[in-house]
Amino acid sequence: DTAVSQTPKYLVTQMGNDKSIKCEQNLGHDTMYWYKQDSKKFLKIMFSYNNKELIINETVPNRFSPKSPDKAHLNLHINSLELGDSAVYFCASSQGRTLYEQYFGPGTRLTVT
Amino acid sequence: QKEVEQDPGPLSVPEGAIVSLNCTYSNSAFQYFMWYRQYSRKGPELLMYTYSSGNKEDGRFTAQVDKSSKYISLFIRDSQPSDSATYLCAILYSGNTPLVFGKGTRLSVIA
Repeated sequence: DTAVSQTPKYLVTQMGNDKSIKCEQNLGHDTMYWYKQDSKKFLKIMFSYNNKELIINETVPNRFSPKSPDKAHLNLHINSLELGDSAVYFCASSQGRTLYEQYFGPGTRLTVT
Repeated sequence: QKEVEQDPGPLSVPEGAIVSLNCTYSNSAFQYFMWYRQYSRKGPELLMYTYSSGNKEDGRFTAQVDKSSKYISLFIRDSQPSDSATYLCAILYSGNTPLVFGKGTRLSVIA
C-alpha cells in the first residue's frame, strides 16, 4: 500500500504551458512538503504545509502555487513553464515534531521543451 | 559558504568493504542530523537520524556526529551491491525549519 503517491510520474510539456502535479499520503501525517531535485541531484525544499496551512515558503517564483485541499493532499500548480523548471519534484510528509523523519513519494520527472 | 557540504563522488568499492561517507556543516545551531538513501529514480528514504554527538549504530550502518568539528559521517560495514545508491546527509535546526540536504554521494558496490 503506497504511503506517499504522486501523479503523474512523468510529465513532458512545452514552455509556456501550465501544469499540475498531485500528491497524496495515507500515513495520517499532518505536514507535507514539495521538494525540487535538479539535474545535479541537489534536493531543495520549496514549500511546506502543516494542517493545510503554509509554513515554509522558500524563494520560489510566483509561478509555483501549492494548494492543500486537506491534510492528506498537497498539489503543485506551475504556470508559464520555463526550461529551468525541468527537474524531479518530490512530495514528502511527516508527523508532528518528527520533521527529520520525512517520507518521500516516488517523484515526478518534469521535462520542459 | 554552503550550509552543508558533501563530496558527490562517485565512490566505487568492492563488496565487503567498509564505506565512509561524510558531510560538513557550517552552522552550529543545527540540532538533528540525518542520512537518507536514494535509489535510482526513487524518492529518498530515511536511514538514520541522531541529535547528539557520538555514534549511533543500526545493523551494518553507523552514524557519527562530531559537533565540535561540525562533521557527520555514515559508515557502512560489509557493503553489499544492494547498498549501491546515493546517500544524502540532511540537517535540521528545529521547529518549523526546512531540512537542509547535502548534494549526495553516489555509491557503487561492485560484486
